[in-house]
Amino acid sequence: GIQVEQSPPDLILQEGANSTLRCNFSDSVNNLQWFHQNPWGQLINLFYIPSGTKQNGRLSATTVATERYSLLYISSSQTTDSGVYFCAVAVQETSGSRLTFGEGTQLTVNP
Amino acid sequence: DGGITQSPKYLFRKEGQNVTLSCEQNLNHDAMYWYRQDPGQGLRLIYYSQIVNDFQKGDIAEGYSVSREKKESFPLTVTSAQKNPTAFYLCASRRTGARGGNIQYFGAGTRLSVL
Repeated sequence: GIQVEQSPPDLILQEGANSTLRCNFSDSVNNLQWFHQNPWGQLINLFYIPSGTKQNGRLSATTVATERYSLLYISSSQTTDSGVYFCAVAVQETSGSRLTFGEGTQLTVNP
Repeated sequence: DGGITQSPKYLFRKEGQNVTLSCEQNLNHDAMYWYRQDPGQGLRLIYYSQIVNDFQKGDIAEGYSVSREKKESFPLTVTSAQKNPTAFYLCASRRTGARGGNIQYFGAGTRLSVL
């Protein structure tokens, strides 16, 4: 099946710093989602971005489908950005679209 | 409010016991999914269903069973055959179709522990 690799596994920042998280995947996809998992375990949708670039406030994401990677940018980080960031991809199958998750990037933002 | 409701938030299982986790959605989504998350890891797919009365195994279906009798409900049973059930379980749903049909939305999860 498709492989998803995220880097770095851990990232520690000072408040106000910028960061880039990377997601590499091993096959063509028709779905790529970025999630933030908060301390209570809730998965929050950040972006649906199988290709192209999107921005939402301090967050932006770019997916280069032909080169099989996606980047999540966090600017002017805040302590509330702490948590685990997951990339998940899907390949359309006859029985539906199943997400395969990476192992995540644990982000800690210190005040 | 529209959304996905999982219950209970915390569940304890005794040895040899089957337990059922509830997942209900009022988003009118056709597809529903169950994932398992172990500490420090990503999510893995247990079962999924595209339509009522139909479901498929995911990557780690052994020791689990599901049913899809209603569009809004997709309960997961953790059977006694699952020898390591302690984990965080997440339910998701997706609206099928070309317009916005690829985005999965998640419930708040159920934490299952073995007594």
